[in-house]
Amino acid sequence: SSELTQDPAVSVALGQTVRITCQGDSLRSYYASWYQQKPGQAPVLVIYGKNNRPSGIPDRFSGSSSGNTASLTITGAQAEDEADYYCNSRDSSGNHRVVFGGGTKLTVL
Amino acid sequence: EVQLVESGGGLVQPGRSLRLSCAASGFTFDDYAMHWVRQAPGKGLEWVSGISWNSGSIGYADSVKGRFTISRDNAKNSLYLQMNSLRAEDTALYYCAKDSVSSVTTFLFDYWGQGTLVTVSS
Repeated sequence: SSELTQDPAVSVALGQTVRITCQGDSLRSYYASWYQQKPGQAPVLVIYGKNNRPSGIPDRFSGSSSGNTASLTITGAQAEDEADYYCNSRDSSGNHRVVFGGGTKLTVL
Repeated sequence: EVQLVESGGGLVQPGRSLRLSCAASGFTFDDYAMHWVRQAPGKGLEWVSGISWNSGSIGYADSVKGRFTISRDNAKNSLYLQMNSLRAEDTALYYCAKDSVSSVTTFLFDYWGQGTLVTVSS
């Protein structure tokens, strides 16, 4: 099965821009989706497809992809963006499966 | 308002079985694929299993294949996960998640429940 690799932790100064990356072979075939999870809460979908935001997600969140790497960018990070972020994509092995990255803890300084 | 409410978690001994349920409301349940995703304490998310809207396509993570069985009852707007031969490493918060597009399994999870905790320990 496929694997997705994320940096365990990233930090950003308040109001600055941060990019969180996700690498894996499945990303050559499928777009990544991104989920935000705050402590004690269920995950929330923030980016999917080429660069789509569900209703209610601020436009400071954006997504991009190149080769085997997907990126989530937060432009003008806010204190409330401090959370764990997970990428996922379909398993490129062709099975009816999906894989998650290990998650990135974002700290807003 | 979409609501997903998991139940059935608890403390169970290794090797025993448990059945989780997810009660869905606020959307046309039988139009959407559904999934189970788990999170071990202090760890990341792990997709466990998914089932298409008509139960025609089912998938499992390698870690649970052969031990867990996903099913759904569209008449009852409910999703289930039968977990057999439980192991300590199955200890986790189990989330029920809704797929985002009707009639197609996209593996995009647009709504999640609050989870039910399964603890496997002697």
